[in-house]
Amino acid sequence: ETGVTQSPTHLIKTRGQQVTLRCSSQSGHNTVSWYQQALGQGPQFIFQYYREEENGRGNFPPRFSGLQFPNYSSELNVNALELDDSALYLCASSRAGAGSNEQFFGPGTRLTVL
Amino acid sequence: AQSVTQLGSHVSVSEGALVLLRCNYSSSVPPYLFWYVQYPNQGLQLLLKYTTGATLVKGINGFEAEFKKSETSFHLTKPSAHMSDAAEYFCAVSPAYSGAGSYQLTFGKGTKLSVIP
Repeated sequence: ETGVTQSPTHLIKTRGQQVTLRCSSQSGHNTVSWYQQALGQGPQFIFQYYREEENGRGNFPPRFSGLQFPNYSSELNVNALELDDSALYLCASSRAGAGSNEQFFGPGTRLTVL
Repeated sequence: AQSVTQLGSHVSVSEGALVLLRCNYSSSVPPYLFWYVQYPNQGLQLLLKYTTGATLVKGINGFEAEFKKSETSFHLTKPSAHMSDAAEYFCAVSPAYSGAGSYQLTFGKGTKLSVIP
């Protein structure tokens, strides 16, 4: 069984640029959630995708957007990068209907904005 | 709305000593509760979870946690610390699942556990 994978592992961008992060969900999972983890903080929920549609969103501005594809993989896009966007971005997959809300996390993408 | 408070951003214990990491939650609906561990430069690994049933939950690596509804707590314990337990630990809460609605995890700020030889 393949776990959750994310790419790239590290990324450096400059302020104002745009970035796309990618996530492949675990086999059998149909839901993907994205979290932002700033240095020294707990992960914060960005949004969740189920059946290719956004299914809940945290307190993040519209310049954070996402997609889910028919194979349940997902992308997180961030436009007009700001210095405060520097963080570890975690993707988690899960299976709706499993009854436990357990989410399986990938290793994360470390984004640095200069 | 849900929130999690982890008491103590940094806990140090001696190898072989009891580990106790505290977590209190606030939830307007029945909660599911989780403990995750994060090693440096890695993602999160689930240690254990409470959904329904037995309030004492056993997880991996000898950890356990007890759900106390009256105290809104879900403290993590391990009888004897090992050097390999040094990591950051996160408590999280989500609404009890009820269909295909969003069931985001709300995390605490984490507790960094150091184990002294």
